[in-house]
Amino acid sequence: GQNIDQPTEMTATEGAIVQINCTYQTSGFNGLFWYQQHAGEAPTFLSYNVLDGLEEKGRFSSFLSRSKGYSYLLLKELQMKDSASYLCAVRDSNYQLIWGAGTKLIIKP
Amino acid sequence: ETGVTQTPRHLVMGMTNKKSLKCEQHLGHNAMYWYKQSAKKPLELMFVYNFKEQTENNSVPSRFSPECPNSSHLFLHLHTLQPEDSALYLCASSRGTSGDAYEQYFGPGTRLTVT
Repeated sequence: GQNIDQPTEMTATEGAIVQINCTYQTSGFNGLFWYQQHAGEAPTFLSYNVLDGLEEKGRFSSFLSRSKGYSYLLLKELQMKDSASYLCAVRDSNYQLIWGAGTKLIIKP
Repeated sequence: ETGVTQTPRHLVMGMTNKKSLKCEQHLGHNAMYWYKQSAKKPLELMFVYNFKEQTENNSVPSRFSPECPNSSHLFLHLHTLQPEDSALYLCASSRGTSGDAYEQYFGPGTRLTVT
């Protein structure tokens, strides 16, 4: 079967750095997405990786290793507003998105 | 209006009721999606429409009936639901369903409670 694994919950301190990991086993691979979802709100797109390596976008970076079936989302200079769930999703060979259950990130002052 | 809108935002219905959820996208996209989001579970894809044609139906019970009259509007008709259908129903759209990045843009969702 197809599976996306990510930690259920993480806690970090304001101003620090946090890395949220995602491992996947899917039928084929056509890209990996990270979304942010604040409580009670819609998921919003953060990043997309299809080739190995690091994609940087401001305070957020996303890394992909296709051979390891692994990605991480790196958040720097954490702010209280970064408290949210972070969803990892992989597009399989049929271009269907397979979603992880999300990682709830709690930022403490 | 911009982005993806959904109405109503909250809905409480009995198991014998019939109701409809509405989604509208103002992004000029060609693909639209219905997802179910339950607490601490992955997003469950329900239906996919591409250029108004249904391309995915992920074994969704017939008590959920989608309708896509055009590329901008998507409905989810509900009837004789069960309490376990209580969840957040999210609509999303994207430029297409294959090829390049084609990230999905989500609406705010409808919080459905079945009593």
